Amino acid sequence: AQSVTQPDIHITVSEGASLELRCNYSYGATPYLFWYVQSPGQGLQLLLKYFSGDTLVQGIKGFEAEFKRSQSSFNLRKPSVHWSDAAEYFCAVGAGQAGTALIFGKGTTLSVSS
Amino acid sequence: DSGVTQTPKHLITATGQRVTLRCSPRSGDLSVYWYQQSLDQGLQFLIQYYNGEERAKGNILERFSAQQFPDLHSELNLSSLELGDSALYFCASSVRGELLHFGNGTRLTVT
Repeated sequence: AQSVTQPDIHITVSEGASLELRCNYSYGATPYLFWYVQSPGQGLQLLLKYFSGDTLVQGIKGFEAEFKRSQSSFNLRKPSVHWSDAAEYFCAVGAGQAGTALIFGKGTTLSVSS
Repeated sequence: DSGVTQTPKHLITATGQRVTLRCSPRSGDLSVYWYQQSLDQGLQFLIQYYNGEERAKGNILERFSAQQFPDLHSELNLSSLELGDSALYFCASSVRGELLHFGNGTRLTVT
């Protein structure tokens, strides 16, 4: 069965510092991987996705993520965090087949200190 | 704006009642997914419809049901509501199954 683990429930980063949010997945074949962000009172916005090809993917708002098959990981990174990045971040995995739902991790809440 | 519309934004009701949540997918999207988000369970997949037919079921209670209409909008019906059903309910839509666009959710409070 597919599953996603986000080991960090809450992370605090200073503004301007770098960020890495961890995501580990369990899936038998090559997964489709996603990062979504949720601001308070809002829906989920797609940050980036990995389907195949280059294992380093670029997303919106300066985020990137790297797919490491050997580690079953898809960590999200940003070189310099802005206060507006404070939100909840969700990693998700999909089977890559049309019509299959995404399975989400429990999320990591990012706080940004000044 | 994702293009997915959910109504109402907020819903407050009493235990034992029944409510209906509505979702209009993005134009052209045939798949609709329902998710429940709660503090303890996180984002749980409930059910998916594709072009009017049920495609997949997740952790959906028997008290909950959904349908997708010919115009592709979907409704999630929650009945015999319990306090534990209080949550944020999201609808998402997609053309292909792997790229979901989410609405802003309906916050349900059961008192």
